[in-house]
Amino acid sequence: AQSVTQLGSHVSVSEGALVLLRCNYSSSVPPYLFWYVQYPNQGLQLLLKYTSAATLVKGINGFEAEFKKSETSFHLTKPSAHMSDAAEYFCAVSDNSGGSNYKLTFGKGTLLTVNP
Amino acid sequence: KAGVTQTPRYLIKTRGQQVTLSCSPISGHRSVSWYQQTPGQGLQFLFEYFSETQRNKGNFPGRFSGRQFSNSRSEMNVSTLELGDSALYLCASSGGTSYGYTFGSGTRLTVV
Repeated sequence: AQSVTQLGSHVSVSEGALVLLRCNYSSSVPPYLFWYVQYPNQGLQLLLKYTSAATLVKGINGFEAEFKKSETSFHLTKPSAHMSDAAEYFCAVSDNSGGSNYKLTFGKGTLLTVNP
Repeated sequence: KAGVTQTPRYLIKTRGQQVTLSCSPISGHRSVSWYQQTPGQGLQFLFEYFSETQRNKGNFPGRFSGRQFSNSRSEMNVSTLELGDSALYLCASSGGTSYGYTFGSGTRLTVV
């Protein structure tokens, strides 16, 4: 079974400060990992994904994440927060072993607030 | 390239009724998944279809069902609605897991 833990349901940063959203996963098979962002009353938008290529993954809007197998982590970072980054962020894991999982397992989400 | 289209965007139903939600995937995507999002339970997987076959199902009662048509469009049905079924229902399409999943804007279902 797969699971995702997002540490911190709410993170608050100042505009221009570093954004760090934490994600740890548990998977019995090699994982695919994803970060999604959700703005109010909208669906999920894919920020970036790890699919067993480079461990440092760059995504849209200046976000990046590093896959660390030894720490089972996939933390999301952005060097300088912008007001438009305020949203809820979800980490998700899927199965890349070719098995029959065919689904995403999500963390509970982290609400990011950006203060002016 | 058109994204994933879900209709309707908003829906209000009475307890005991049934409802059908629709999802049109990105052209060429054969996999369609459905998720329920609530404040208490978060994002939960309902089911996934590929080429009209259900390949995986989440832990939901039999009142929740789905299907996929030959053009990859999918519908999900909830019968005998309960207040707890009020949620945002999200559809996602994929051209393969390694490519990720693209989500629609969702259908907001309110059961009164």
